[in-house]
Amino acid sequence: EVQLVESGGGLVQPGGSLRLSCADSGFTFSSNWMNWVRQAPGKGLEWVANIKKDGSEQHYVDSVKGRFTISRDNAKKSLYLQMHSLRVEDTAVYYCASGSGWIIENWGQGTLVTVSS
Amino acid sequence: DFVMTQSPDSLAVSLGERATINCKSSQSVFSTSSNKNFLAWYQQKSGQPPKLLITWASTRESGVPDRFSGSGSGTDFTLTISSLQAEDVAVYYCNQYHSSPITFGQGTRLEIK
Repeated sequence: EVQLVESGGGLVQPGGSLRLSCADSGFTFSSNWMNWVRQAPGKGLEWVANIKKDGSEQHYVDSVKGRFTISRDNAKKSLYLQMHSLRVEDTAVYYCASGSGWIIENWGQGTLVTVSS
Repeated sequence: DFVMTQSPDSLAVSLGERATINCKSSQSVFSTSSNKNFLAWYQQKSGQPPKLLITWASTRESGVPDRFSGSGSGTDFTLTISSLQAEDVAVYYCNQYHSSPITFGQGTRLEIK
């Protein structure tokens, strides 16, 4: 069974940086596309980025392009999201999620990122 | 981008009654090459991450009760709960995975009347 555990969230000032991590305790990490999906407090779901099984392809929502970078380490069964130039509107719970293709099948519990001065 | 619009925003249904949630995409999510609709439905209960219910517009995930069903094609889709149970109280989201950026509907809050 896939179990995804996010870490790295916290309070950061506008313009700051943060790196999120996601550890997969399952056995299929390298076979899965991996995603970051966020949810602002009291709001709906917003897909942020995904990365192909071998890391050779990434996609981003326009609002984070040039500021966020998704990456993975299959040997460590880990997913990352490097976030720069953070804005107040980036405040959200960030979920790590996996799928065999672009279907988002399994979700972590999320880590809260708060951007505030 | 594919804009997903759900209706209604909120819904109150009596226990045992049918609940229907609609989802409309700004572009067709049907792929002629695979003959499939790239449309999923999720359930999110309070304080929990979303749970995948249905893929390919109408395929129930393993373990999802058969009172949940999905239908539709192209741009118009429906999630139906045939007989509402207390544990179905949640926010439901449709989602297209046809093209980047992957997008979700705004959510429909389902409550007990």
